Amino acid sequence: DTAVSQTPKYLVTQMGNDKSIKCEQNLGHDTMYWYKQDSKKFLKIMFSYNNKELIINETVPNRFSPKSPDKAHLNLHINSLELGDSAVYFCASSPASGIIGELFFGEGSRLTVL
Amino acid sequence: QQPVQSPQAVILREGEDAVINCSSSKALYSVHWYRQKHGEAPVFLMILLKGGEQMRHEKISASFNEKKQQSSLYLTASQLSYSGTYFCGTEGGTSYGKLTFGQGTILTVHP
Repeated sequence: DTAVSQTPKYLVTQMGNDKSIKCEQNLGHDTMYWYKQDSKKFLKIMFSYNNKELIINETVPNRFSPKSPDKAHLNLHINSLELGDSAVYFCASSPASGIIGELFFGEGSRLTVL
Repeated sequence: QQPVQSPQAVILREGEDAVINCSSSKALYSVHWYRQKHGEAPVFLMILLKGGEQMRHEKISASFNEKKQQSSLYLTASQLSYSGTYFCGTEGGTSYGKLTFGQGTILTVHP
């Protein structure tokens, strides 16, 4: 069983469209994250949720909206996609809140905006 | 604020050693090290906590100098499987509860 799974793995879409990426973890962790990795491999945190509550919201455009229906799921919806949104989006989870423990990453979702 | 890693890239022959450095301009609570192979997710190697001991993962070890806000990753007798991009992540200052990654160091090990 995959510990942290993301869907879809690949997403190719046109500028201006809206898309969603889903993430699920079966590790029983309380905290989940979204990270964006750009073409230069820079890994930047976007959001963090602890037990469905948003605790970190970096300077991310309002077009990005995370949603956590329960502590095992964290989805990312992106409106009005732009070329600069092309990246690999990683979902991650960790057992701790506050003090960060080991992050377990999903396989990533590669988004290409044309 | 993003930690700075050096060098940006290292090329080794199997069996050689390497050191990757990570430094921050702010006081740190912890330093984390991850390795990412091409096309894969980052994988956890180790955490070093303020006041903690030097850590080890197989033949990879790391140290954390709290006063200098620096950490070093030591790869001993490198293997082909060590190839990948190594990231340090830092937690501290105003980013408590948030892991901020460095820009990565690309390590290539040749036979």
